Amino acid sequence: GAGVSQTPSNKVTEKGKYVELRCDPISGHTALYWYRQSLGQGPEFLIYFQGTGAADDSGLPNDRFFAVRPEGSVSTLKIQRTERGDSAVYLCASSFGQGGLGETQYFGPGTRLLVL
Amino acid sequence: AQSVAQPEDQVNVAEGNPLTVKCTYSVSGNPYLFWYVQYPNRGLQFLLKYITGDNLVKGSYGFEAEFNKSQTSFHLKKPSALVSDSALYFCAVRDMDSNYQLIWGAGTKLIIKP
Repeated sequence: GAGVSQTPSNKVTEKGKYVELRCDPISGHTALYWYRQSLGQGPEFLIYFQGTGAADDSGLPNDRFFAVRPEGSVSTLKIQRTERGDSAVYLCASSFGQGGLGETQYFGPGTRLLVL
Repeated sequence: AQSVAQPEDQVNVAEGNPLTVKCTYSVSGNPYLFWYVQYPNRGLQFLLKYITGDNLVKGSYGFEAEFNKSQTSFHLKKPSALVSDSALYFCAVRDMDSNYQLIWGAGTKLIIKP
């Protein structure tokens, strides 16, 4: 079946603008994760959804970042008043289950965000 | 706090030789360990994981990893490297204290030379 998809693949925006990044998880996966990856580093956890609700948003860096998953499938990561430091690759992953410790997370190709 | 260390930024191996990519971890509880590979401009692909049981775990593309509790290590290995194995490799860990987060190493660039 299809894997995790993310759109857009690339996004260039100006400082101060608002952006939305979309993630479409693997069909049937109830757990969805957002990560951020800066150049030369491993991914950094942002938020985890179980169904429609955010079960853990402890990784969101500040209140400019917000994510939703209204129907328990597609998720949108929203960044307000973007800053140059927000430039990174935003990765989405999904897993089949309740987010258990041994569950494998399957990743999308990422959205490369560049804030000028 | 949980952490993962990949002590080598880059590993160079000749094609056909065995390869090892090192990973050590620090967690307070029982570790759940993962290896992922990342090719340029592509997402992270799952290779293998250790949850419990046999210390030697076999995964995709001929890779395997050995869990060593006393050394808190989970090194990735392959008996005979291919040029196509050249990529960025990430080790990650979860435990009861990390909630839903995967804690990641910084990655190791593997270069296989023909």
